[in-house]
This record gives sequence, structure tokens and C-alpha cells, in this order.
Amino acid sequence: EVQLVESGGGLVQPGGSLRLSCAASGFSFRNYWMSWVRQAPGKGLEWVVNIKLDGSEEYYVESVRGRFSVSRDNAKNSLYLQMNSLRAEDTAVYYCARLEGTGWYYNWGQGTLVTVSS
Amino acid sequence: DIVMTQSPDSLAVSLGERATINCKSSHNILYSSNNNNYLAWYQQKPGQPPKLLIYWASTRAFGVPDRFSGSGSGTDFTLTISSLQAEDVAVYYCQQYYDNTYTFGQGTKLEIK
Repeated sequence: EVQLVESGGGLVQPGGSLRLSCAASGFSFRNYWMSWVRQAPGKGLEWVVNIKLDGSEEYYVESVRGRFSVSRDNAKNSLYLQMNSLRAEDTAVYYCARLEGTGWYYNWGQGTLVTVSS
Repeated sequence: DIVMTQSPDSLAVSLGERATINCKSSHNILYSSNNNNYLAWYQQKPGQPPKLLIYWASTRAFGVPDRFSGSGSGTDFTLTISSLQAEDVAVYYCQQYYDNTYTFGQGTKLEIK
């Protein structure tokens, strides 16, 4: 069974940093592109970033480019999101998702809540 | 970036009736080399992650009831629920994966009339 478990969310002040993790199991992690998708409270879904199988390519939504950095450790079956210079508008549930085919998501984690507030 | 616009924002349909949700792309998302539309549909219930319903605009995901169908091509797409069930109350999203940066529609909230 495919499992994606996010961790690392919490309350952080504006301008601060946070690192999210996603532990993957039940599939060959190194063979899949992975993504982070977020959802602000009461709002819609927003795609954040994709990372290629070996981490050699990354694609970001414009609003986080230069502040967020995605990485993966295929030996540990783990995906990460380093978030710097956090803003109130980054407050959201962050989902880890496995990218299928050329771009849809069948498997999602349960999400981890990031709250940016003073 | 490709902008995805859904209509309506909310919809109330009687049980057993048809529900139709539209999604319009600001860019043609039909890839001519393979004749595939790079569009997916999701269902999200409160407190849960999204659930994939449709990909390639019209291919049902594993385990999705056949009352859900997707249609359209190019820039205009539709998700249809042929006979609404109580468990279909949710927010529905379209998503394009045509280029390297993906985008979702704003969502359509479906309720029972």
C-alpha cells in the first residue's frame, strides 16, 4: 500500500523558516517524480513544486521561487521542502503527492499545517 | 502561466439528477503529438486530501464509479455526474499538467438541492 506521511508543520513567525518532510513507503520512491501541493484554510488547491526522479530538475510556482527549495533522498525514501522567508500567505496545509504519468496525482498524504503568524 | 477557470463556483443539484461542472483553460492543453488533453479532475471532501477522478480529460481513475465522466478538448472541459448521490457532495477541482508548472481551477462546491 502506498503511504505518504508529511511532518514538520507548525507555527512560525513571518520571515522565519521551516522544513517539511514526507516519508514514502509501499512503492519504489526513486522511480517517481514527487510534488508538494498546498491549500490555504478554506481555499482551493495550489500546486507548489515538482521534483524529478533523481532531483536533477525542479519546477516551482512563481510565488515561492527563490524562497522554497525542494529536495529528495532516495536512499531514505523521503521528500523535503525547505521554506524560507515565510509570509502570512504561505499559511496552508501542505500535501506531499506522487506524480503519475505526465502529471496527475493518485496518491496524496494527509497533509501538514503550516501557520505563519506573529 | 496557464489559468484554469471553473464554473459555476457552487452548484446545488437534486439527488438522482445530473451535475455538470465546467473548466476553461487560458491555453490549449491538447498536445498535438499524442492527441491527449493534459487535464485531470479531483474530488475533495472536508478534512481529506483530494481524490483523483479523471485524467487525460476523460479516463476514469481506478475505482471511480461510472456515473463520473469527463469530456472536452483544447480549452473547454466538463465533469459530469450522471445521477447525483449523497456521497458526491464535495468540492471539485480541475488541474492542467500541460507545461512544467501545473495549475488548478478555483474549485466548484457541489451540494444537494
